[in-house]
Amino acid sequence: EIVLTQSPATLSLSPGERATLSCRASQSVGRYLAWYQQKPGQRPRLLIYDASDRPSGTPARFSGSGSGTDFTLTISSLEPEDFAVYYCQQRSDPMYTFGQGTKLEIK
Amino acid sequence: EVQLLESGGGLVQPGGSLRLSCAASGFTFTKFAMSWVRQGPGKGLEWVSGISSSGGTTYYTDSVKGRFTISRDNSKNTVSLLMNSLRAEDTALYYCAPETYFFDHWGQGILVSVSS
Repeated sequence: EIVLTQSPATLSLSPGERATLSCRASQSVGRYLAWYQQKPGQRPRLLIYDASDRPSGTPARFSGSGSGTDFTLTISSLEPEDFAVYYCQQRSDPMYTFGQGTKLEIK
Repeated sequence: EVQLLESGGGLVQPGGSLRLSCAASGFTFTKFAMSWVRQGPGKGLEWVSGISSSGGTTYYTDSVKGRFTISRDNSKNTVSLLMNSLRAEDTALYYCAPETYFFDHWGQGILVSVSS
């Protein structure tokens, strides 16, 4: 089973700052990595797929990068609505795994 | 619009059984594999089980193998999860989702509580 490790567990920043979230895989996943945002009481929302592609509806301030084992989600300038928990997810045929999450909180 | 409506959750004693169902609409159900993903209280997301578009192949995370069975009815656009020998650690909100190497649509989730 491929394990995804996210860091940091908690990130405290202020609106307007840049956020960098990391996801490391225990073995290569190519570019089969996605990022989700989840706010309290809500279902997860897909932000990024295939490491760097944005679905329609994901704001341009969200960007993903990386391949193989090291991936990054960057939020260029934090908006108040961005404070949430973020998960990475990979598919290693035929199984899926999620990272443990990074909580992005207001400083 | 994609809609996924989970049902069948509730409170069950340890060792008991529940059957979850998910009614899908707004997309071509027969073209997509389907998964169940769960989230324990205050915890992260955990993929539980998946089933191919035809229903011929099924997959499970290790912690539920031999206890859970996923199935689908392509004539009714539904996917089900039969959960036997339930344990306290199975307590979670269960989501169904179509698979495309990622999950871009989620149901609202259905709560399963395992407690005596």
